[in-house]
Amino acid sequence: GQNIDQPTEMTATEGAIVQINCTYQTSGFNGLFWYQQHAGEAPTFLSYNVLDGLEEKGRFSSFLSRSKGYSYLLLKELQMKDSASYLCAVDNYGQNFVFGPGTRLSVLP
Amino acid sequence: DTAVSQTPKYLVTQMGNDKSIKCEQNLGHDTMYWYKQDSKKFLKIMFSYNNKELIINETVPNRFSPKSPDKAHLNLHINSLELGDSAVYFCASSHRGGGSLYYGYTFGSGTRLTVV
Repeated sequence: GQNIDQPTEMTATEGAIVQINCTYQTSGFNGLFWYQQHAGEAPTFLSYNVLDGLEEKGRFSSFLSRSKGYSYLLLKELQMKDSASYLCAVDNYGQNFVFGPGTRLSVLP
Repeated sequence: DTAVSQTPKYLVTQMGNDKSIKCEQNLGHDTMYWYKQDSKKFLKIMFSYNNKELIINETVPNRFSPKSPDKAHLNLHINSLELGDSAVYFCASSHRGGGSLYYGYTFGSGTRLTVV
């Protein structure tokens, strides 16, 4: 079966660091993606991991452990504009993306 | 602008009507998708077309019919609309043909369908 889990909501303070976890069980795996979705807008690409380890891109980093079926997205120096939903998605190789339920992050001043 | 564009952005219609949502991508991608995002913000695959050929058809009512006249277009037609069809529908595209670096999906801006 296909199952992706993320926390439903998280709250953090401006300037802080937050880690959003994602666990997955899918029938195929060709990489894991993180997308950001602001209210009323389309999801936009943040990061892609296909090998184990950490990928860093500015204030955002993403980690993958394939053996544990686990990923996290790390957001540093939080800004108010980072308030959004963060979607974990697994590329179910040759088929389609399976999306997690999304984590709604609220950044407070 | 290179993008995935879908129209209309908002659609309000009465139960029982038939409506269509159009999607076009000029990214040269070979695969297009329709996803439905419900009120809980869960994105679920509905259909996928690769080079105009249907490759995924999830369990959706047969009132929903996708049409791909060419690999740059994927339209969604919905017959006999019901209240439960109210959601945001996203079109997306990707390139699965190998070659250049893979960045996953590019999404359209979404169509918010409200059935009254």
